[in-house]
Amino acid sequence: QQQVKQSPQSLIVQKGGISIINCAYENTAFDYFPWYQQFPGKGPALLIAIRPDVSEKKEGRFTISFNKSAKQFSLHIMDSQPGDSATYFCAASTTNAGKSTFGDGTTLTVKP
Amino acid sequence: EAGVAQSPRYKIIEKRQSVAFWCNPISGHATLYWYQQILGQGPKLLIQFQNNGVVDDSQLPKDRFSAERLKGVDSTLKIQPAKLEDSAVYLCASSFRSGTVKVYEQYFGPGTRLTVT
Repeated sequence: QQQVKQSPQSLIVQKGGISIINCAYENTAFDYFPWYQQFPGKGPALLIAIRPDVSEKKEGRFTISFNKSAKQFSLHIMDSQPGDSATYFCAASTTNAGKSTFGDGTTLTVKP
Repeated sequence: EAGVAQSPRYKIIEKRQSVAFWCNPISGHATLYWYQQILGQGPKLLIQFQNNGVVDDSQLPKDRFSAERLKGVDSTLKIQPAKLEDSAVYLCASSFRSGTVKVYEQYFGPGTRLTVT
């Protein structure tokens, strides 16, 4: 049973455009939702994270939107740049467990 | 601050052979995780340690996989015997957790890419 579903699988965006990646979760016990960025040959790196007591968190060009009732959250990358080309993973975890359940990733390509 | 170190970076073995991976977490991080990342998928947790104790190993194939963290610092993950479906990247991650302070930002190492032929 996949507890975190991520879409789309791949995404192509023009430079300067907005990239949007969506995730849905099933376990209502999840209370920490991070996004990771992974470049080829590297491990995932934490990009931004949100807790369910807020509906939005913004850090620079990256914004998480969170909808608790729908059990969905999304990553928005504003003014996308070629350097943003990477694989993005959403994840979810519970406060007590600490471990993360990951989505299957979205490969983002930003065309110059 | 030094990151999570892993070795080797790449390993090619034949099926039924054994292999071991090593991880050294960020200094002071009490929690250590091993994840398996199959090509095209997200990382899947294999085992989680808190200091030198196992917190969660529910998804570790215990008939062939084993892991230890004897002194609560570095850790070793072993596969014996390997199967073709074990081909994947094995990621180690660590996070800080001390008493009632729970910080869940996980820091990942570069991973070990295992190919089983």
